[in-house]
Amino acid sequence: EPEVTQTPSHQVTQMGQEVILRCVPISNHLYFYWYRQILGQKVEFLVSFYNNEISEKSEIFDDQFSVERPDGSNFTLKIRSTKLEDSAMYFCASSEQGASTDTQYFGPGTRLTVL
Amino acid sequence: SQQGEEDPQALSIQEGENATMNCSYKTSINNLQWYRQNSGRGLVHLILIRSNEREKHSGRLRVTLDTSKKSSSLLITASRAADTASYFCATANDYKLSFGAGTTVTVRA
Repeated sequence: EPEVTQTPSHQVTQMGQEVILRCVPISNHLYFYWYRQILGQKVEFLVSFYNNEISEKSEIFDDQFSVERPDGSNFTLKIRSTKLEDSAMYFCASSEQGASTDTQYFGPGTRLTVL
Repeated sequence: SQQGEEDPQALSIQEGENATMNCSYKTSINNLQWYRQNSGRGLVHLILIRSNEREKHSGRLRVTLDTSKKSSSLLITASRAADTASYFCATANDYKLSFGAGTTVTVRA
């Protein structure tokens, strides 16, 4: 069964460093998402992406964050200058159609630790 | 916010018993989805119920949706130790899912 994959599974970085989290969505999916979950808290929406554009972003997704689909398979989340509070599990998701009609399939997550 | 809120926060049951958890939300939705998360792992999709549906089944799972009360329930029948996990409801609009805080279910052998 096709699945969303994410790399790396765990990333440790120093505060102020840039990180890029990578995702390979399911191949025939057109809608892509990033969510995060701080330890012990709710899963929070960050951004949705369709047709090479951001569809919606949350208040969390400020100028330090960016997303890109650099080729036909990868979907990346970049954090330009990490802060301690960026430490969280980051989940990528994809769906064939938009969130209003279709299931979102999640990857296993990247645990980001900012020291 | 459309966020779903689950109730109870935690549930402990004996293997073989049924587990029921509820989700309430605030605004109109397109669909509502239930996910399972094992400790420290990813989110596994369980079931999607559309706003015009009232009940849906998948194996040992039964989901109901009452849009007039803005609530949904997830029933797991004949629970197993492997069902031990956190369960989240998520409400969907066009571009995103909004998750609740989840119900932690512990199934005792």
